[in-house]
Parts: sequence; C-alpha cells; structure tokens
Amino acid sequence: AQKVTQAQTEISVVEKEDVTLDCVYETRDTTYYLFWYKQPPSGELVFLIRRNSFDEQNEISGRYSWNFQKSTSSFNFTITASQVVDSAVYFCALSDIGNRDDKIIFGKGTRLHILP
Amino acid sequence: AAGVIQSPRHLIKEKRETATLKCYPIPRHDTVYWYQQGPGQDPQFLISFYEKMQSDKGSIPDRFSAQQFSDYHSELNMSSLELGDSALYFCASSLFYGYTFGSGTRLTVV
Repeated sequence: AQKVTQAQTEISVVEKEDVTLDCVYETRDTTYYLFWYKQPPSGELVFLIRRNSFDEQNEISGRYSWNFQKSTSSFNFTITASQVVDSAVYFCALSDIGNRDDKIIFGKGTRLHILP
Repeated sequence: AAGVIQSPRHLIKEKRETATLKCYPIPRHDTVYWYQQGPGQDPQFLISFYEKMQSDKGSIPDRFSAQQFSDYHSELNMSSLELGDSALYFCASSLFYGYTFGSGTRLTVV
C-alpha cells in the first residue's frame, strides 16, 4: 500500500531562516514519482517538483532544494532564506508508475508560517 | 499554455440539494481525476477516468457520481448534499504522469 507521511503538522520560522520540510513515503512498487505541491491561502495547488524514483540526484531551484534518499524513503524539501510569501501548506505526494492512470496520493501536509 | 478548467469556482447549495461540478482537462490528456479536500485536510482521491472509462475509485460516497464525456470533459454530480460535503474539489488531468490540477471548486453546503 502507498503512504506518504509528513510528520511536521505546522512549522513557524522567522523570515530569512532556512527551513526543511520532511517527507517519508511507503510503496511496494520499485518505480514511482514523488512530488511536492504548495497550497497558498487562495487554495490552488501549485506544482513544485516531480522526481522519478530512478533519479536520486538532489535538485536545486533558486531558494528551493530537494533531497531524495531512496535508502530511507525520504524526499525532503528545504527553503533557503525563507520569505513571507513562502507561507503556505506544502504537500508531499506519491504516484506509482505502473499504469498510465495511476493516481497521486498526498501526505497530510505541513503548514508553514514565515514570520516577518 | 492551456490549463485544467473547473467550473464553477464557487458554489453554495443547501442541504439535500444537488450540485454538478465540471472539469475541462488539458487537450490530449487521457486521464482525469477528482479529489475532495475538506477544511484543513489533504486532497482525497475520489474517482478517475482513463480514456472516458472509469478506471479507479476511492472513498467516493454513493451519493456522488461522475462521468467523462466524448469531448473528454468530466462532471461530478453530488446529490442529497450534506454539510460535510463542504470542501474544495479539484480536478486533475494527466498524460504520462504529468499531472495538472485545476484551480478547484469551493462547495459550501448550508
């Protein structure tokens, strides 16, 4: 069975601090995709990244970076020099790669507050 | 670039009424998914369609039904609405695991 665990329900940091959001996943499949989505107060789901299970390279995009470790089934997300606009709920998600219609399942989300 | 279009954006219904949500996927995407996100919750999978056939089903109440039409748009029909159906409903479409979510329909049942 698939499962995504985001142990941090809520995090508050002061602006300009670095913050890491944890994500641990479970799946029986050997091939899968991992995702991070941002949900600001307006409600839409903003796609941040998709990572294939074959690719364990870490990725950096501006102030965002992702650390994928297959050995620990983790896909953590770090925001460097956080800004108030980063305040949102962040979801880690998983999709098996088997059938073209495989769905995404989400973790419970981490609510991030960036304090000015 | 075209995105997933959901309508309406907001909907207010009374208990026991019926609601219909519409989703227009990205052209050439072959799969449509519906998710329900209650207040403070994560999006929960309801149902999906692959090439207009129902392909997977999640925790969708019997009061809800959905279909995908020949033009690939999809509709989620909800009957006998309850207060607990108040939520954000997302539609997503995909092609080869490139998922795109719509902006959602916020349903409020009063």
